[in-house]
Amino acid sequence: DAKTTQPTSMDCAEGRAANLPCNHSTISGNEYVYWYRQIHSQGPQYIIHGLKNNETNEMASLIITEDRKSSTLILPHATLRDTAVYYCIVRVATGTASKLTFGTGTRLQVTL
Amino acid sequence: KAGVTQTPRYLIKTRGQQVTLSCSPISGHRSVSWYQQTPGQGLQFLFEYFSETQRNKGNFPGRFSGRQFSNSRSEMNVSTLELGDSALYLCASSLGTEHQETQYFGPGTRLLVL
Repeated sequence: DAKTTQPTSMDCAEGRAANLPCNHSTISGNEYVYWYRQIHSQGPQYIIHGLKNNETNEMASLIITEDRKSSTLILPHATLRDTAVYYCIVRVATGTASKLTFGTGTRLQVTL
Repeated sequence: KAGVTQTPRYLIKTRGQQVTLSCSPISGHRSVSWYQQTPGQGLQFLFEYFSETQRNKGNFPGRFSGRQFSNSRSEMNVSTLELGDSALYLCASSLGTEHQETQYFGPGTRLLVL
């Protein structure tokens, strides 16, 4: 699976949009971008994933650049409960390769 | 639909003992994966089971083993516990079919080895 690079930490004011970047310059054509978050020692929570088109769900939006070498997770109106470590993962979603390779993630701190 | 459940949630053992952790996947999910999370190594993949067969394996010693039952519930076992096995053990389930591999995690079992 391709390696990802994320900033170690970010701050965001409550009510503002949180934009979390991720670089995955070695991504292959058959690899998806997945985002998970982990709130203080709970199990990671699935947020969103995409291949090449932008995606939106009730939690967040995922913007993938045209060359697919980077992406941005957007939390449109961050709340204190969004404080967590956010993991960007790229993985093959075909065949039986189910392993998720987690990096160190971005620690997002939402403040009043 | 109920999420992934793991039991027990907390466990204290001593070195040399063995431990068994249990995971019940989301109804209809046939794949169960196990991960270990420690402050030093982060989240690391242990193994994955699908239809009672180990389908994928991480780089852990043979002391770590698992199995899956016909109802997709899974157990993992760690024998001859070491202090370094203290960790949060996470289980994740997915449908297990191609293009449907989004994994959903349970709350984890926190193991402390003394």
